[in-house]
Amino acid sequence: DVKVTQSSRYLVKRTGEKVFLECVQDMDHENMFWYRQDPGLGLRLIYFSYDVKMKEKGDIPEGYSVSREKKERFSLILESASTNQTSMYLCASSPGTGGSYNSPLHFGNGTRLTVT
Amino acid sequence: ILNVEQSPQSLHVQEGDSTNFTCSFPSSNFYALHWYRWETAKSPEALFVMTLNGDEKKKGRISATLNTKEGYSYLYIKGSQPEDSATYLCAFNTNAGKSTFGDGTTLTVKP
Repeated sequence: DVKVTQSSRYLVKRTGEKVFLECVQDMDHENMFWYRQDPGLGLRLIYFSYDVKMKEKGDIPEGYSVSREKKERFSLILESASTNQTSMYLCASSPGTGGSYNSPLHFGNGTRLTVT
Repeated sequence: ILNVEQSPQSLHVQEGDSTNFTCSFPSSNFYALHWYRWETAKSPEALFVMTLNGDEKKKGRISATLNTKEGYSYLYIKGSQPEDSATYLCAFNTNAGKSTFGDGTTLTVKP
């Protein structure tokens, strides 16, 4: 089974701090994604990556950046955390062009971030 | 931003009731539609991958249909059980491999 591991389940940070959310997958997937989920809203795509050192903006990239130095690891960075970034963050992975665009996403358990 | 809509937003049913929900998506640039189940304190898990117009998929008491020409998919649960309580998400995929999610339908099944 694919395992997607997010480094923290719960995180509390102060406004203005730089925050790193880490995600590791163990199935050699090319694609990795960061979503956030807020009450009453679906999963909204922040950033995604199709390969090492590649990144693409999703629908809500403002205030975030990402890093993918190794295939298995995709980091989400909040450069200067703000209270409106309090949310549930979900990492996901899927096979890339070598696999199939039909393949569903495999999700981590999520990180609930609170910015005070 | 692609518009993927799910209805209803929430649903409360009694154990044994059958229920269904809807996912609406753009009818152009369709590549695949995914249904996920997201239980509390767990990660979303894929239920179905649907790619062809007219597709029907089934897993136990849960089934789904797909109409790509009119841009909708239905998810059906027959004889709902309390363990079916979860948020059900649909995700629309283009050939870029990017998933756009609906807001989800939260199902609560009362014993």
